[in-house]
Amino acid sequence: NAGVTQTPKFQVLKTGQSMTLQCAQDMNHEYMSWYRQDPGMGLRLIHYSVGAGITDQGEVPNGYNVSRSTTEDFPLRLLSAAPSQTSVYFCASSYSLHTEAFFGQGTRLTVV
Amino acid sequence: ILNVEQSPQSLHVQEGDSTNFTCSFPSSNFYALHWYRWETAKSPEALFVMTLNGDEKKKGRISATLNTKEGYSYLYIKGSQPEDSATYLCAPEDAGNNRKLIWGLGTSLAVNP
Repeated sequence: NAGVTQTPKFQVLKTGQSMTLQCAQDMNHEYMSWYRQDPGMGLRLIHYSVGAGITDQGEVPNGYNVSRSTTEDFPLRLLSAAPSQTSVYFCASSYSLHTEAFFGQGTRLTVV
Repeated sequence: ILNVEQSPQSLHVQEGDSTNFTCSFPSSNFYALHWYRWETAKSPEALFVMTLNGDEKKKGRISATLNTKEGYSYLYIKGSQPEDSATYLCAPEDAGNNRKLIWGLGTSLAVNP
C-alpha cells in the first residue's frame, strides 16, 4: 500500500504566487488533515475533513483553502503565498478520530 | 483548548539505558491520547492510541501508561538502542474542540552507541 502520498516534497514560491499541495491516501480513511510544522512549535492544524464533501477549519486556516471531493484526495491551496507561510506541511489521514494517523512525507515550502 | 506539556525537552542516554518521558494535559475535556515517534527527515509514526484511565500499551521495548484523572501519560523505552533516537510526540484529543489532536512539542531522544 502506498499509504499517504504527498507532493511535492520541496517547493519555492514567490510572494503572491498560488499553488496546491496534493495529498492522496489509499486506505479508505474518512478523516484527513493538514498540519504545518514550524521551529519551536507543535504541529498546528490548518484544515481537516471528516469525509468527502465536509471540511472545517483548524487552528491556523487563514491563507489556505481545502476541498474534499473524493475520499482519497485532500488538496491544500495557498491562495497568495506570503513569507509567513514558509513551513513544513504534513498531510495525515486516519480511519476515525481516535485511531492512529498516517502521515505523508511532508512538503518543505519556502516563500521568498 | 488543551495545553500539552512534554518533559524533558531533550534527553541523551547511552545504549542499553532505559528511559521514560512524561506528557501532561488537563484532565478535563480528555477523550484519547496519541503517542507518535518522529525520526529526523521522516514523518511522524503512530505508537499508541490510549483512551481508558489505567491503560497500558506495549510495542516491543516501548510501553506507555495513561492516567486520565491526573492528566498524564508516561512513555517508557527499555534498553534504548541508537535506532530509538527520535522525537516522541504526544497529542491528546480535545473533547471540547471536536476531538482535534493538540500536539506537544515532543521529547527529543538521542541514544549514544
